Amino acid sequence: EDKVVQSPLSLVVHEGDTVTLNCSYEVTNFRSLLWYKQEKKAPTFLFMLTSSGIEKKSGRLSSILDKKELFSILNITATQTGDSAIYLCAVRGGSYIPTFGRGTSLIVHP
Amino acid sequence: NAGVTQTPKFQVLKTGQSMTLQCAQDMNHNSMYWYRQDPGMGLRLIYYSASEGTTDKGEVPNGYNVSRLNKREFSLRLESAAPSQTSVYFCASSESRDGLTEAFFGQGTRLTVV
Repeated sequence: EDKVVQSPLSLVVHEGDTVTLNCSYEVTNFRSLLWYKQEKKAPTFLFMLTSSGIEKKSGRLSSILDKKELFSILNITATQTGDSAIYLCAVRGGSYIPTFGRGTSLIVHP
Repeated sequence: NAGVTQTPKFQVLKTGQSMTLQCAQDMNHNSMYWYRQDPGMGLRLIYYSASEGTTDKGEVPNGYNVSRLNKREFSLRLESAAPSQTSVYFCASSESRDGLTEAFFGQGTRLTVV
């Protein structure tokens, strides 16, 4: 059974801080790891990391995958209030079904 | 460009009532999923359909049934709603079965069972 553990479960910071969100996983026949941002409604896709793409960056957000140690981190630099959201990590293994962690709730205060 | 469309957006049911949540995607995806989201619990898989004509149970299938009506549509049915089924329900779809694409989500259905 695939398993995803995210930490911390919640985080409160001030604008301008840098945050690191963690995602560890156990999966049979790893295919990909996905990061999503969820504000009030549906999760929106951020990054996909695979065996052939272990680092991704978009603006102030970046993510890396460590396939040996079975974890990923999502970094957000110079946080803004608009970064306040739940960040979800999911893995896809041999069953191809996205298995999600419990998410990290990030609150950024002005 | 609609993507994944869910209806209804909100629903209040009385215990014991039944209802069907509808989901349709216009991206020609093979795989579709139903998840529920409870506070602090992330997304838990209820049922999924790897392709048209097939459905399988996920992590929390009890109290639910599904129908993959065609390639576009995947519905979730609550036969006799219970307060424990109060949750936000998300439908999702993905392109390929090689695990190398992201899943796209609908806007969710907020269900309250009283």
